[in-house]
Amino acid sequence: QLQLQESGPGLVKPSETLSLTCTVSGGFISSSSHYWGWIRLPPGQGLEWIGSIYYSGSTYYNPSLKSRVAISADTSKNQFSLKLSSVTAADTAVYYCVRLDCSSKTCYFDYWGQGTLVTVSS
Amino acid sequence: EVVLTQSPDFQSVTPKEKVTITCRASQSIGSSLHWYQQKPDQSPKLLIKYASQSISGVPSRFSGSGSGTDFTLTINSLEAEDAAAYYCHQSSSLPHTFGQGTKLELK
Repeated sequence: QLQLQESGPGLVKPSETLSLTCTVSGGFISSSSHYWGWIRLPPGQGLEWIGSIYYSGSTYYNPSLKSRVAISADTSKNQFSLKLSSVTAADTAVYYCVRLDCSSKTCYFDYWGQGTLVTVSS
Repeated sequence: EVVLTQSPDFQSVTPKEKVTITCRASQSIGSSLHWYQQKPDQSPKLLIKYASQSISGVPSRFSGSGSGTDFTLTINSLEAEDAAAYYCHQSSSLPHTFGQGTKLELK
């Protein structure tokens, strides 16, 4: 059974960089039919897609965050990571790592990590 | 970007009730519409893919329909465990976007 697990600091200071890692078990991020990505859920708001990555390194980002986001993958560790720079209180959210099934013409999110709360505060 | 608008935002429900949640897209997205359920303190779970395709392990009381701009998630004979938030998601074009969510609460 595929499992995804987020890890990283739960508290980040304003203007600093939020860094999270997703460790995948029960499968490989080098799978040809899948992308991997990050989604967040701010308190009292809806889900927001942050970006996605293919194991080869191709990335796609939400334009609303593109200038501050970087997603990378490490196939040797079966992990992928998120960096979000210059954070503000508006970046406080539960962050989920996800797998995208792209075996058909478009993709959907078929596996989700448990989520990790990141609070931006001094 | 494609804006998805769900209705209702909130509904108070009773067991065995039939529940319908709608999702309207700001432009045609074909059948690239998926539904997720999020229970309190859990991560979202895929319920329906490509508007109407069932997912292994998801109870048959959940079904989806629609294409283009108008979509529906139906829960037949709701059970208490179905009290949760429901989100639609479109993958027709980037960025991926979600509806604002519909919260079902037991009366």
